[in-house]
Amino acid sequence: AQRVTQPEKLLSVFKGAPVELKCNYSYSGSPELFWYVQYSRQRLQLLLRHISRESIKGFTADLNKGETSFHLKKPFAQEEDSAMYYCALKRGGSNYKLTFGKGTLLTVNP
Amino acid sequence: EPEVTQTPSHQVTQMGQEVILRCVPISNHLYFYWYRQILGQKVEFLVSFYNNEISEKSEIFDDQFSVERPDGSNFTLKIRSTKLEDSAMYFCASMNGVGEKLFFGSGTQLSVL
Repeated sequence: AQRVTQPEKLLSVFKGAPVELKCNYSYSGSPELFWYVQYSRQRLQLLLRHISRESIKGFTADLNKGETSFHLKKPFAQEEDSAMYYCALKRGGSNYKLTFGKGTLLTVNP
Repeated sequence: EPEVTQTPSHQVTQMGQEVILRCVPISNHLYFYWYRQILGQKVEFLVSFYNNEISEKSEIFDDQFSVERPDGSNFTLKIRSTKLEDSAMYFCASMNGVGEKLFFGSGTQLSVL
C-alpha cells in the first residue's frame, strides 16, 4: 500500500527566507506526485505535479526516487504563501485515487 | 475559471439519519470523485465515478454509501444511516480526462450528532 508522510505539521518562516516543505512516500511502483495547496477559506487546488516539471508561484519540487522524496521548495517565501500544503501520490495508471499526506501549515511572517 | 460547486456548505444531522451531499462538477468533465477529511486527519479517497458507474472505491465506501449522477449535472453522495464517525469535510472533485487537472469543490462539513 502507498503512504505519504509530511513530517512537519507546522512550519514558520520569515518573509524572504527559503522554505522547504518535506514529503516522503512509500510505493513500490512508479508514482505520480503532486502538491496541493489550500489557502485560508479556499478550496484545495493543484500547485504542481512532478510530471510537468514546472515552477508555480516560485515553487519547485523534484522527485527523488532514491530518497523517495518530493520536497517542495521556494527560495524566497512571501506572506501570501501562507497556507496548508498537501503532498499527494497517485499510483501509475490509477484512476486519480490520490493518497494524501497530513499536510503542513506554512506561515510566512512579515 | 470554472468551479466545482458543493451544497450545502454545512450539514448537521442526527445519527441514523440519511444525508445527501450534492455536487455540481464542471460541465464538460467526465470523471467524478468524493474525498473526505476527518478533523485533524488526512484527506482520504472515497470513490471515483466514470461513465455512470463506480470505477474505484476505498474500504471506507461501504454499503452505507452510494453515489449517483441523476441528471447529467449533479453528482451526489448518499450516506444511508449516518454514524458519529462520518463527521468530516466531504470534498467533491472532477476532471476532464485522464492525466488532466483535478478540480476540487469547497467541501461540505458534515456533523453527525
